[in-house]
Amino acid sequence: ETGVTQTPRHLVMGMTNKKSLKCEQHLGHNAMYWYKQSAKKPLELMFVYSLEERVENNSVPSRFSPECPNSSHLFLHLHTLQPEDSALYLCASSPSGSGGPLDTQYFGPGTRLTVL
Amino acid sequence: DAKTTQPPSMDCAEGRAANLPCNHSTISGNEYVYWYRQIHSQGPQYIIHGLKNNETNEMASLIITEDRKSSTLILPHATLRDTAVYYCIVRPLGSSNTGKLIFGQGTTLQVKP
Repeated sequence: ETGVTQTPRHLVMGMTNKKSLKCEQHLGHNAMYWYKQSAKKPLELMFVYSLEERVENNSVPSRFSPECPNSSHLFLHLHTLQPEDSALYLCASSPSGSGGPLDTQYFGPGTRLTVL
Repeated sequence: DAKTTQPPSMDCAEGRAANLPCNHSTISGNEYVYWYRQIHSQGPQYIIHGLKNNETNEMASLIITEDRKSSTLILPHATLRDTAVYYCIVRPLGSSNTGKLIFGQGTTLQVKP
């Protein structure tokens, strides 16, 4: 148990559906991250939020829309996804997002997404 | 691209020390070496990190060579629950990098009874 929770743990959706992934951290951290892990591929950073402000967007398609209403919650809104978007989506948090040596990231268990 | 090179897989007998090597020959002076592991279908778990001195915590030890071009993660008494993919990450520091972690393919460690 890392103090980062994600819901749902599994999600199956059609290409025309709209769904949202939720992440919550109980660590008092100020930075939150979304990563994508496709089958047999390394983790890819998608978005970074620091103090509820998006500070990084790694050329992610607009069908993925993040939202950070406060420093404890992070959402990933999904619409008109493609089958190749099927992956494990991981949320992480860190104390500040500063990138300093003490700014260790802690990951949630992930949401396994399948797009039909 | 990841700045590290790791063997794709390793085996270790249960109860023995697991020594996982990592090559980072292009590491810069202000870059730390981080280790994470990922047990099947779970989120990555932080293990340890270091700059140039050897580090030890309750999970593992990190040995960094004097020239900092390579390091070894040591699990002193491996158990079956240590079976996982282990990632060695060279992390650029500073606010301009937002602390991003760049994951490579890692080493799959199989601990055998």
